[in-house]
Amino acid sequence: QLQLQESGPGLVKPSEALSLTCTVSGGSLMSSNYYWGWIRQPPGKGLEWIGGIYYTGITYYNPSLKSRVTISVDTSKIQFSLRLSSVTAADTAVYYCTRLNRVTFVGTADYWGRGTLVTVSS
Amino acid sequence: EIVLTQSPGTLSLSPGERATLSCWASQSVPSNYLIWYQQKPGQAPRLLIYGASSRAAGVPDRFSGSGSGTDFTLTISRLEPEDFAVYYCQWYGSSPPMFIFGPGTKVEIK
Repeated sequence: QLQLQESGPGLVKPSEALSLTCTVSGGSLMSSNYYWGWIRQPPGKGLEWIGGIYYTGITYYNPSLKSRVTISVDTSKIQFSLRLSSVTAADTAVYYCTRLNRVTFVGTADYWGRGTLVTVSS
Repeated sequence: EIVLTQSPGTLSLSPGERATLSCWASQSVPSNYLIWYQQKPGQAPRLLIYGASSRAAGVPDRFSGSGSGTDFTLTISRLEPEDFAVYYCQWYGSSPPMFIFGPGTKVEIK
């Protein structure tokens, strides 16, 4: 059974960078059927797609966040990572890592991590 | 850019009742890229419906999706206690890949 697990600091200071890692177990990153993404949810609010990455390293970002986002992948560690620069309080959210399916259940986030709350505060 | 609107914002119903949730797109979208999720408090969203009307694995048949163009519907035929949650619709843009979510509908116990 595929499992995803987010890790990283729960508290980040304003203007600094937020960095999270997603470790995948029970499967491989190396399939063109999927890409691997990040979705966030501010407390009490809705879902926002941040971006995604193929195992080849090709990335796609939400245009509204593109200037601040970098997603990378390490296939040897079966991990992918998120870096969001110049954070503000508006970036406080639960961050989920997900598998994004582009073939069988097209356009779905069919596996999710449990999510990790990142608070931006001094 | 496509915007998804969901209605109502909150739906207050009793167990056993039928729930009808709507999702509207600001422009016509391919139905095979319209998706629904269920989210319970403190949990990650769960995939319910893909391709507007296909149930994901393990989803009870009381959940059904329908619609095309700009109007889509998620129906829960008879609400069970575990169905009280927030439901999000999502559109997938394939080129380039893009995921857009609606604001959600909360189904609460009346």
